[in-house]
Amino acid sequence: QQQVRQSSQSLTVWEGETAILNCSYENSAFDYFPWYQQFPGEGPALLIAIRSVSDKKEDGRFTIFFNKREKNLSLHIKDSQPGDSATYFCAASVSGSSGNKLIFGIGTLLSVKP
Amino acid sequence: GPKVLQIPSHQIIDMGQMVTLNCDPVSNHLYFYWYKQILGQQMEFLVNFYNGKVMEKSKLFKDQFSVERPDGSYFTLKIQPTALEDSAVYFCASSLDTGQLYFGEGSKLTVL
Repeated sequence: QQQVRQSSQSLTVWEGETAILNCSYENSAFDYFPWYQQFPGEGPALLIAIRSVSDKKEDGRFTIFFNKREKNLSLHIKDSQPGDSATYFCAASVSGSSGNKLIFGIGTLLSVKP
Repeated sequence: GPKVLQIPSHQIIDMGQMVTLNCDPVSNHLYFYWYKQILGQQMEFLVNFYNGKVMEKSKLFKDQFSVERPDGSYFTLKIQPTALEDSAVYFCASSLDTGQLYFGEGSKLTVL
């Protein structure tokens, strides 16, 4: 049973649209939720993260909306660009336990068409 | 930004041989991690390491796996002996504390 679930394995949007990537989780103890962006042949890089005390985190074109009661979150990418085409991993961890052991979702491959 | 370096980027070995994957973490980081990613699947936690000791390991971290960081040099993952199912990309990560993880570019292991 996956602890962190990403509902879509792939998503295609047109340039300029808002891409919405969804994620849900099982463990109520998770309190830190980073999104990682990975380009082919590279390692994942932190894009944006939220802690469970917040319901929204914004950084430029990227926004996380978090719903603790429903145990889900989404990453919104406004004004999508072809350069945003990558795989996006939702991850979760419990603060303070064993360092920062991140549990990853399976990833969503985003394609932004020009 | 801070970089985690992994050597080698790709290694091909015969089943049963030993392999050592090397990781040069960010210089002042204290926590180190290995993750395994099979093509098209999620990254799976293997092990994390702090202050010279394994803190936690997953079921994927078989008895044939070991990690160490001798004298503050490379953080290594050794697999001895290797099996076909060990073929994957292995990502090393490091963090200063319990915050952001920085990942390397991965070491692709092919076991024939």
